Formats: sequence, C-alpha cells, structure tokens
Amino acid sequence: EAGVTQFPSHSVIEKGQTVTLRCDPISGHDNLYWYRRVMGKEIKFLLHFVKESKQDESGMPNNRFLAERTGGTYSTLKVQPAELEDSGVYFCASSQVGGDGTQYFGPGTRLTVL
Amino acid sequence: AQSVTQLGSHVSVSEGALVLLRCNYSSSVPPYLFWYVQYPNQGLQLLLKYTTGATLVKGINGFEAEFKKSETSFHLTKPSAHMSDAAEYFCAVRDNSGGSNYKLTFGKGTLLTVNP
Repeated sequence: EAGVTQFPSHSVIEKGQTVTLRCDPISGHDNLYWYRRVMGKEIKFLLHFVKESKQDESGMPNNRFLAERTGGTYSTLKVQPAELEDSGVYFCASSQVGGDGTQYFGPGTRLTVL
Repeated sequence: AQSVTQLGSHVSVSEGALVLLRCNYSSSVPPYLFWYVQYPNQGLQLLLKYTTGATLVKGINGFEAEFKKSETSFHLTKPSAHMSDAAEYFCAVRDNSGGSNYKLTFGKGTLLTVNP
C-alpha cells in the first residue's frame, strides 16, 4: 500500500511568488492534515480536512495560505504571495475516520523563500 | 490547550548504551500519545503510540515508552543504542475528548546522536 506522498520535495522561490504544494493521502483515508515546521521550532498544525470539507483551519497563519481538497482525494496548499517567514518544511498526514486516528505522514516539502 | 515538552533538544549516547528521551505533556483530558521519528532526508515515521490499555507500549526497532499519568510523562527508551537510531524524535499528543479534534500537538523534537 502506498504511503502519503508529497510534491515537490523541495521548492525554492522568491518573495512575492506563488507556490503550490500537493499531498496525496493514503487511499481510503478521509482525514487529511497539513502541518508546518519552521526552522528551530516545533511542528505545528495548519488545518484538517474530512473528505473535501475543512474541519479545522485554526492553524492557518493568514489569508495568504489557501488549502483545497476537491473531490476529497488529494489536497493542495497554495501560498500567495510567499514571504520569507513562510520558509520551512510542510508536512501532510492522513488517517482513517474512527479508530485511534493514527496519522501517517508524508516526506514533507521543504520550501525556501528568498 | 495541550502542550508537549521534550527535555533536551540534543541527546548523545554511545553505541550500546541506554537511550532515554523525555516527554512530558499537558492535557485537560486523557490524551493519546505518540512518538514519531525522522531519519535524515526522510519523513516522519510512527514509532509507537499509547491510546488505551497497557501503559507500557512497544514500538518498532526495539523502542518502548511508558505512559505515567501521575507524572504526565511518556518517556521513550531503548536498552541498547545502535548507530542506525541516529535521528530526530518527536513526541506528540492528541486530544481524546471525542468529537473531531484530531490535530496533533508536537514537542520541539530531540536529535539523537549515537557515537561509535
């Protein structure tokens, strides 16, 4: 069974540009989460989808971040326009509905904003 | 609000020595607790978890952790370190109060170095 995949693995952009990160969850996992780790800090929750619905987006930093999950399958996280402080590693995770909700993580996308 | 404290951002042990990585949590309700590991250039991998039942849980690669409610701790141990254990380890807590509040709260991580 394929795990959570993320694309791209690395992205280097200039301040003011737009970047779109993609996450493909484990097949059959209705829960999808985005997290971010800024250098030197802890991994922080950004938002949670259940199928295509945003269940909790309390961790989204500001309105420059837009997450979508059309059709309840893969998700995208767009940053527009990117700022220097957006640099970090963006992780995606997925889990089944019910049970203990164990989250399985992807390899992350390392975003560098110059 | 939940929080996780990992004591020691960097722990160094000799190969064959005991590994002890500390994690304390704060939660208003009984939590679910997790340890994840990130090997160099890889993503987060689930090491072990405590949800309910036995408070001593065993994970992959010989690691185990014990949930101690009275101490609000979930320390990670391994009797004998191996070079391949060198990685960053993250403790995380999830609200177990029901509903749909599934988000994880992480500690800052502990980088484990294993010396030959």
